Amino acid sequence: GAGVSQSPSNKVTEKGKDVELRCDPISGHTALYWYRQRLGQGLEFLIYFQGNSAPDKSGLPSDRFSAERTGESVSTLTIQRTQQEDSAVYLCASTDGTGGYNEQFFGPGTRLTVL
Amino acid sequence: SQQGEEDPQALSIQEGENATMNCSYKTSINNLQWYRQNSGRGLVHLILIRSNEREKHSGRLRVTLDTSKKSSSLLITASRAADTASYFCATGYDYKLSFGAGTTVTVRA
Repeated sequence: GAGVSQSPSNKVTEKGKDVELRCDPISGHTALYWYRQRLGQGLEFLIYFQGNSAPDKSGLPSDRFSAERTGESVSTLTIQRTQQEDSAVYLCASTDGTGGYNEQFFGPGTRLTVL
Repeated sequence: SQQGEEDPQALSIQEGENATMNCSYKTSINNLQWYRQNSGRGLVHLILIRSNEREKHSGRLRVTLDTSKKSSSLLITASRAADTASYFCATGYDYKLSFGAGTTVTVRA
């Protein structure tokens, strides 16, 4: 079966522009996570969706970051007025249970470069 | 904030040798997981050990967990060039995983 997919795989943008990143989780997975990974560092939690419950947005670094998910399907992460410090790989993961108890399945990531 | 801290940050070994890396954490956990990342992209789950387990094996991987010391180790036996990657420990609690900064392993042919 298909794994988690993300698009685009690479995105180069100019400072101040908005970008939208997409994640398609594994079908049937109720939980979806977004992470940010700066060069040479670990994963930084951004946001968590679980079914139709209110998302945990506690990891979003500023109000320029937002994310949406419709039901248990596709999610989009939007970064408005991008800054150079937003340059990173953005990873999406999904799981069919509660992600802290089970393995998470990761997409290949979107490498964002802000010039 | 990152919960786990891996040690060493980088490791270079000869093919066929064993590689050991350690992870320390600070707060309560339900489980500890190890992931591998190739070329800075998606992570692949390797093994999960629950807080009431002390040791787990999967193929050439052996993981230990000492909750009294809040530490874990990952051993890769008989390493291969394909094991070259970054390895991350992640502590699970409730619905979240908290990742360390990783250990970069290079296996020389």
